[in-house]
Amino acid sequence: DTAVSQTPKYLVTQMGNDKSIKCEQNLGHDTMYWYKQDSKKFLKIMFSYNNKELIINETVPNRFSPKSPDKAHLNLHINSLELGDSAVYFCASSPRQGAGTDTQYFGPGTRLTVL
Amino acid sequence: DAKTTQPTSMDCAEGRAANLPCNHSTISGNEYVYWYRQIHSQGPQYIIHGLKNNETNEMASLIITEDRKSSTLILPHATLRDTAVYYCIVSGGGTSYGKLTFGQGTILTVHP
Repeated sequence: DTAVSQTPKYLVTQMGNDKSIKCEQNLGHDTMYWYKQDSKKFLKIMFSYNNKELIINETVPNRFSPKSPDKAHLNLHINSLELGDSAVYFCASSPRQGAGTDTQYFGPGTRLTVL
Repeated sequence: DAKTTQPTSMDCAEGRAANLPCNHSTISGNEYVYWYRQIHSQGPQYIIHGLKNNETNEMASLIITEDRKSSTLILPHATLRDTAVYYCIVSGGGTSYGKLTFGQGTILTVHP
């Protein structure tokens, strides 16, 4: 069984389009995250939700909007895509928020290419 | 969050122990040391974490110095599948729960 899954695996789109990436975890975790890994391979956190509530919101353009319909799902919607949005986006989840609990389980990633 | 310093790359022969060092001299008392790895094109994978004591699990051992300013991840019998980028991360203090800050990591190459 896949613990953290993301769809789609690959996404190629034109500049200016709007796209969504979906994430689901079947681990029963309370907290979910979105990370971005750019072409230089730096992995940076974008958002974190705990029980459907936004708890981490890094300096991310407001074209990026996460949505958590329930604690097992965290989707990422991106408006007006730009060339610089091309990257691999990873979803992750962890059991709960608190000290010593940063054991995060990552999905396989979604490679977004903006043309 | 405290910053970490790791060597850019390391080599290891298959079957030998791989010892990956990490310096975190500014770590605060309530911060944990985490190790993750990323095998090419895959999502990062949790390996191990610790606060003060040495830790061991089925994947690796974590040795933390008494002053907590450095640590070493040990893969006891490295295999070719352990070739990956290994990240040492300090996290968990204050309001930074869940906010893993990945650095450049150490590229470990295991060769036959």
